[in-house]
Amino acid sequence: KNEVEQSPQNLTAQEGEFITINCSYSVGISALHWLQQHPGGGIVSLFMLSSGKKKHGRLIATINIQEKHSSLHITASHPRDSAVYICAPRGSEKLVFGKGTKLTVNP
Amino acid sequence: DTGVSQNPRHKITKRGQNVTFRCDPISEHNRLYWYRQTLGQGPEFLTYFQNEAQLEKSRLLSDRFSAERPKGSFSTLEIQRTEQGDSAMYLCASSLGTGQVVTGELFFGEGSRLTVL
Repeated sequence: KNEVEQSPQNLTAQEGEFITINCSYSVGISALHWLQQHPGGGIVSLFMLSSGKKKHGRLIATINIQEKHSSLHITASHPRDSAVYICAPRGSEKLVFGKGTKLTVNP
Repeated sequence: DTGVSQNPRHKITKRGQNVTFRCDPISEHNRLYWYRQTLGQGPEFLTYFQNEAQLEKSRLLSDRFSAERPKGSFSTLEIQRTEQGDSAMYLCASSLGTGQVVTGELFFGEGSRLTVL
């Protein structure tokens, strides 16, 4: 069993839709990162959270440490949100990365 | 630009050649990480430094791979006698940490894409 499971693997949405990406992990963690990767490779850190909920613009990340589950929500999705979203729990210094969720938002 | 800088961005080499990648982290960041990413997969941890000390290496890092951070600033990742299986994106990231605690966000470079023919 992979240490990090993301769902769905691929997601296609229409502009304006509410998006949810889920992440389940099996390792004990001190924090969890949500990352965004655009075609061409650049990775941007969206959130680092260890409890509760964080919000940044249209993005919301939640985590339930007891259930070992985190979600990333995008409100009012836009085509520029199209990217791969990666969940990365931090159990130690070596982040364990999920395979990512490829999001495509159509106009 | 004060972000994480990696070069070269792209490297095409023949099997058996040596290649070296460089990473310049954000200047005040004491932690530097190397990851490898192949197509369709998430990044995999290779190694990390706190200042100039290399504190952990993945088993993925065979004897052909070596990484240094001699002055606690920039880092190099060298691959000797490259093989086709080394073809991947090599990502560098930096952050601020104290002891066992990472106190800051992780910032990634744009990556160095290696193609071994």
